[in-house]
Amino acid sequence: DIQLTQSPSFLSASVGDRVTITCRASQAISNYLAWFQQKSGEAPKLLIYAASSLQTGVPSRFSGSGSGTDFTLSISTLQPEDFATYYCQQVHSYPRTFGQGTKVEV
Amino acid sequence: QVQLVQSGAEVKKPGASVRVSCKASGFPFTDYPFHWVRQAPGQSLEWMGWINVGIATTKYSPRFQGRVTITGDTSASTAYMELSSLTSEDTAVYFCARQRRTDGNLEHWGQGTLVTVSS
Repeated sequence: DIQLTQSPSFLSASVGDRVTITCRASQAISNYLAWFQQKSGEAPKLLIYAASSLQTGVPSRFSGSGSGTDFTLSISTLQPEDFATYYCQQVHSYPRTFGQGTKVEV
Repeated sequence: QVQLVQSGAEVKKPGASVRVSCKASGFPFTDYPFHWVRQAPGQSLEWMGWINVGIATTKYSPRFQGRVTITGDTSASTAYMELSSLTSEDTAVYFCARQRRTDGNLEHWGQGTLVTVSS
């Protein structure tokens, strides 16, 4: 199985901050990586696919980059509604796997 | 619009089985694969398997192989996930999600179904 390791696990930030989350894969997965946002009690929401493509309807302050084994999700200017947990997921091979999550909190 | 509506919360005893449904609407049911993902309390997301009803194909995570069965009813536009031999470690919210046709990404999700396993 491909292991995904996110860092940090917790991130304290303020409105207006720039935030960066990393996801490292245990083997090369090209650009087959997605990022999800999950708020408490809700289903995950797709933000980024193919490592850097913005899902329709997602604000442009979200961006993704990376290829191979190292990936990042950035939020350029943190908004109040962005406080949530973020997960990466690889869609390179089965079984699909997720990172352990990064909680962005005040 | 695309909707995935899951069945309600369940409470099961250890050793029992549970079946969770995911009713799809707003798109052709047989044109898209459906995945099942679970999330134990305070934990990350865990992929369980998927079904492509249109080509009668399923694939399961080895972690659940032999315990999970994913099926689809085209007449009801509903996907099902059945998990057997439940233990307390299966207590989780179970999500269905629709995969986009062009790539493997999970674009639409159900609201989740809480399954509690307790004696």
